[in-house]
Amino acid sequence: AQSVTQLDSQVPVFEEAPVELRCNYSSSVSVYLFWYVQYPNQGLQLLLKYLSGSTLVKGINGFEAEFNKSQTSFHLRKPSVHISDTAEYFCAVSDQGGGFKTIFGAGTRLFVKA
Amino acid sequence: EPEVTQTPSHQVTQMGQEVILRCVPISNHLYFYWYRQILGQKVEFLVSFYNNEISEKSEIFDDQFSVERPDGSNFTLKIRSTKLEDSAMYFCASMKLRTGMVNEQFFGPGTRLTVL
Repeated sequence: AQSVTQLDSQVPVFEEAPVELRCNYSSSVSVYLFWYVQYPNQGLQLLLKYLSGSTLVKGINGFEAEFNKSQTSFHLRKPSVHISDTAEYFCAVSDQGGGFKTIFGAGTRLFVKA
Repeated sequence: EPEVTQTPSHQVTQMGQEVILRCVPISNHLYFYWYRQILGQKVEFLVSFYNNEISEKSEIFDDQFSVERPDGSNFTLKIRSTKLEDSAMYFCASMKLRTGMVNEQFFGPGTRLTVL
């Protein structure tokens, strides 16, 4: 069965500092990975996705992620965060092996301090 | 760009009442899903639906829940007798299955259900 582990439940960081949100996955079939952002009391917004091709994926709002098959990781990075990046971030994997449902990690709360 | 839409955005109901959450998937999509997110927790899969029947459901999706595609455009989630613990954000998603290609779900904005 596929699963996603987000290694940090909360990440506090100062404004303009770099940040990395960690995500590890387990899968026995083709892997399709996603990062979503959720602002307070709002829905899910797709930040970026890895479906195939280049392992470095660029998304919206200056975020990028690197797919590492040997490490089974898909960490999200941003070189310089803003206060407005404060939100919950979810890593997710698509269950392409059956049903195609999306399996979410527990989320990482990014808190950007001034 | 086509989007998944959900109505209402917020539903408040009394415990024991029936609620129906509505979703309009992207028009040429054939796979439909419901997910739930209890406040402060992760998003959990509830059910998938294809060809007018449930293709997979989680253990959360008990007899109080049902799904339906009543017409060519809507996809609904019904909770027969709501409990306090049903209070959550409910997300609908749809997908167009393309054989031999990557298949990706598209999520709606969610309906926040509050059970009093």
